[in-house]
Amino acid sequence: GAGVSQTPSNKVTEKGKYVELRCDPISGHTALYWYRQSLGQGPEFLIYFQGTGAADDSGLPNDRFFAVRPEGSVSTLKIQRTERGDSAVYLCASSSSLNTGELFFGEGSRLTVL
Amino acid sequence: AQKVTQAQTEISVVEKEDVTLDCVYETRDTTYYLFWYKQPPSGELVFLIRRNSFDEQNEISGRYSWNFQKSTSSFNFTITASQVVDSAVYFCALSEDSGNTPLVFGKGTRLSVIA
Repeated sequence: GAGVSQTPSNKVTEKGKYVELRCDPISGHTALYWYRQSLGQGPEFLIYFQGTGAADDSGLPNDRFFAVRPEGSVSTLKIQRTERGDSAVYLCASSSSLNTGELFFGEGSRLTVL
Repeated sequence: AQKVTQAQTEISVVEKEDVTLDCVYETRDTTYYLFWYKQPPSGELVFLIRRNSFDEQNEISGRYSWNFQKSTSSFNFTITASQVVDSAVYFCALSEDSGNTPLVFGKGTRLSVIA
């Protein structure tokens, strides 16, 4: 499809395990964002890529969280040693430099840590 | 520091009623952008509007209208003649500087339109 694609849509894991969440942005969009949304809350910024590089990773909560975008397209959010508090919906969004601030979101990956 | 406050957690209206969703923001920048997004039950946030800090003109798009008032740091959203399909969570958001900085979202207002 033409929209932002996120996989998996649902992930259940056990505390302490490693997880990867994937985001495939809209073709040609140079900016890619990861947000986290807990129940009843607004999206909370994690990290933002411009091309291949992380332009702003100030929202990553700790060093268990890491994200990459090696070819400037698909991005992977990696969470090590998952904790129950990591349970949330992880949202990916992309944007074109021509659409200042207008983000196109995926449907999110719901992560549940047991 | 930037902050967005949506004081209304949940609103219920009967179909065809008008409803206003409030948004108050805080920023030290003189250049910033304000946004509204809609999040239907499917979960995917949908962009509704962007307004820059230098443009205080109100905007109308069909049944939707937005009232931006810098004097009160507010950017309120009104739906006229609400419909059941308007039921969703609505988020107000702020981006400082050029607008390419990450958005800061409010906690959202859940709107339920009852037939």
